[in-house]
Amino acid sequence: EIVVTQSPATLSVSPGETAILSCRASQSVRSSLAWYQHKPGQTPRLLIHGASTRATDIPARFSGSGSGTEFTLTISSLQSEDFAFYYCQQYGNWPLTFGGGTKVEIK
Amino acid sequence: VQLLESGGGLEQPGGSLRLSCVASGFTFNSYAMTWVRQAPGKGLEWVSHIDGRGRDIQYADSVKGRFTISRDNSKNTLYLQMNSLRAEDTAVYFCAKGPPGSYLDIWGLGTAVSISS
Repeated sequence: EIVVTQSPATLSVSPGETAILSCRASQSVRSSLAWYQHKPGQTPRLLIHGASTRATDIPARFSGSGSGTEFTLTISSLQSEDFAFYYCQQYGNWPLTFGGGTKVEIK
Repeated sequence: VQLLESGGGLEQPGGSLRLSCVASGFTFNSYAMTWVRQAPGKGLEWVSHIDGRGRDIQYADSVKGRFTISRDNSKNTLYLQMNSLRAEDTAVYFCAKGPPGSYLDIWGLGTAVSISS
């Protein structure tokens, strides 16, 4: 099983600043990595797939990068609606696995 | 495009539950479907996957042999039969769609399962 590790667990950021979230896979998943945003009580939302392709209707302030084992989600100019939990997921190998999540909170 | 889960509730350890997920707004039999769960205070955990025709099925080790995923394409419905339930199966269960063995582009709101005596 590929273990996916996210860091940091919590990120405190002021509105308007940039948040950088990291995701590491225990072995190469090539570009088979997705990022999701989840707010409690709401439906998880796909942000990025293929490591860097924004999903439909996702604002350009969300960007993904990386390949192999190291990935980054960058959220530029954070807005109030961006404070949430973020998860990465690898789909390079079965079983599919998620990282433990990063909580982006208001500083 | 919408996914609506149901069937959750309170069950005793060792018991069974069947979750359903009704899909609308897309061609159901063209998409793989997945169950993902989130235990209280924890992150997301992938549970099971089934392809559009119901032939390719995958399970997480934590549920293999106890849970069965299936689908009825004539009813646009995905199922998860959960047997031999354990306290650690307590979670919100989400269904989601996406390309086979891939990312999940649409999710439901989830249905809560609580296993306790």
